Amino acid sequence: AQSVTQLDSHVSVSEGTPVLLRCNYSSSYSPSLFWYVQHPNKGLQLLLKYTSAATLVKGINGFEAEFKKSETSFHLTKPSAHMSDAAEYFCVVSLNQAGTALIFGKGTTLSVSS
Amino acid sequence: EPEVTQTPSHQVTQMGQEVILRCVPISNHLYFYWYRQILGQKVEFLVSFYNNEISEKSEIFDDQFSVERPDGSNFTLKIRSTKLEDSAMYFCASSGEGGPNQPQHFGDGTRLSIL
Repeated sequence: AQSVTQLDSHVSVSEGTPVLLRCNYSSSYSPSLFWYVQHPNKGLQLLLKYTSAATLVKGINGFEAEFKKSETSFHLTKPSAHMSDAAEYFCVVSLNQAGTALIFGKGTTLSVSS
Repeated sequence: EPEVTQTPSHQVTQMGQEVILRCVPISNHLYFYWYRQILGQKVEFLVSFYNNEISEKSEIFDDQFSVERPDGSNFTLKIRSTKLEDSAMYFCASSGEGGPNQPQHFGDGTRLSIL
């Protein structure tokens, strides 16, 4: 069965410092993985996606994630946090190989202080 | 950039009443989805829709729920006889193809409050 576990419910960083949001997945086949971001009172915006091409995936706003099959992880990173990065981040796996449904993690709230 | 639009942004309904949530997917997309997010909980898949029929649905999507694409642009979620526990944010999404290489694009959501 497909599932994702986001290891931290809340991460706090200072502006200009690195960001690490952790995600582990479980999949019975080669998964499609995504990170989405949700700003307050807004919809879900795709940050990046992994679909069995390069294991290091670059997304928007300077974020990237590395797919590590041996560790079943897909952690999201950014070298330098910006105040505007404060939001809720969701690690997501495709329910099936057809991609007709997504399974969301519980989310990680990122706080950025000045 | 094309967007998925949802109306209304906030819907307040009495328990037991029917409610219809509306979505306009991105115009050339073929797959449509509904998700919900109960306050403080994670986003949950409800249903996917392709070629005028449901292609996948979760356990949440029982007989109380139905979806429809009444014309070439709208995609609706109907909830019959609403219950207090139906209060949630409902997100519509669309994608160009059903394959995993095509990400789903989400609307801003409709907040449904059942009184």
